[in-house]
Amino acid sequence: AAGVIQSPRHLIKEKRETATLKCYPIPRHDTVYWYQQGPGQDPQFLISFYEKMQSDKGSIPDRFSAQQFSDYHSELNMSSLELGDSALYFCASSLGPRLAGDSGANVLTFGAGSRLTVL
Amino acid sequence: KQEVTQIPAALSVPEGENLVLNCSFTDSAIYNLQWFRQDPGKGLTSLLLIQSSQREQTSGRLNASLDKSSGRSTLYIAASQPGDSATYLCAVSFKEGNAGNNRKLIWGLGTSLAVNP
Repeated sequence: AAGVIQSPRHLIKEKRETATLKCYPIPRHDTVYWYQQGPGQDPQFLISFYEKMQSDKGSIPDRFSAQQFSDYHSELNMSSLELGDSALYFCASSLGPRLAGDSGANVLTFGAGSRLTVL
Repeated sequence: KQEVTQIPAALSVPEGENLVLNCSFTDSAIYNLQWFRQDPGKGLTSLLLIQSSQREQTSGRLNASLDKSSGRSTLYIAASQPGDSATYLCAVSFKEGNAGNNRKLIWGLGTSLAVNP
C-alpha cells in the first residue's frame, strides 16, 4: 500500500541558508501535518493543512512557511536556518471530515521523516 | 494544558520477559491514542491505534489497552526479544483544540526499551 512519501530523506545546509522539504500524502488523504523532532525530544506539531488551507498552527517559527498544493502534496520552506533547526521533520496525512466523517477514524499516517542538519 | 506522560523513561529487561509500558494523559476527551516505535535516528512506526470507543487492540505480541476515565493506556509486550529494543512513543489526539478536521497529536517523551540477549 502507498505510504506517506517525504523528500529528501537527508539534507545538509549551512546557517542562514534555506531548505525545502516535500511531503506526498497517501492517495485520497486531504489533510497534511508537519512535526519537528529535535534530538532526544518528542515530535512537536508545526502546522497542518486541510483542502489546501492552513487548518491549525503550532510551534512553527516565523522563518518557516508551508503550503498545500492542488494535488494535496505539501512543502515546508525554512529560511535563515539556525543550528537549532537541525531535527527530524515528519509529515503525516489523514482523511479529513469530508471523507472520513467527524470521528476518530481519520488517523494520522506518518512518513519516514526528513533529517535536516544545519552546520 | 494537555499533556502525555510516559513511565518509565527507560527500561532494560532480559530477553523473554513480558513487560508493560505506561502512558497517561490529562484529558479524557480524546479521539484516539496511538503507540509508535522509533529506532534511534529513524522514523516513526505505528504499532497500535485505539479509538476512543475501544478498550484494547492487539497485534501479535503487542497488546494496548485504554482506560479513558483514568487517562491511562498500557502497551504490553509479551516474550520480549532483542529486536524489540527501541523507543516507544504514546501519542494522543485530544478533542479540545482539535476542532473540525484536525487530529494533531500530543506526544509523550517515550520509553527507551533495551532487551538484552
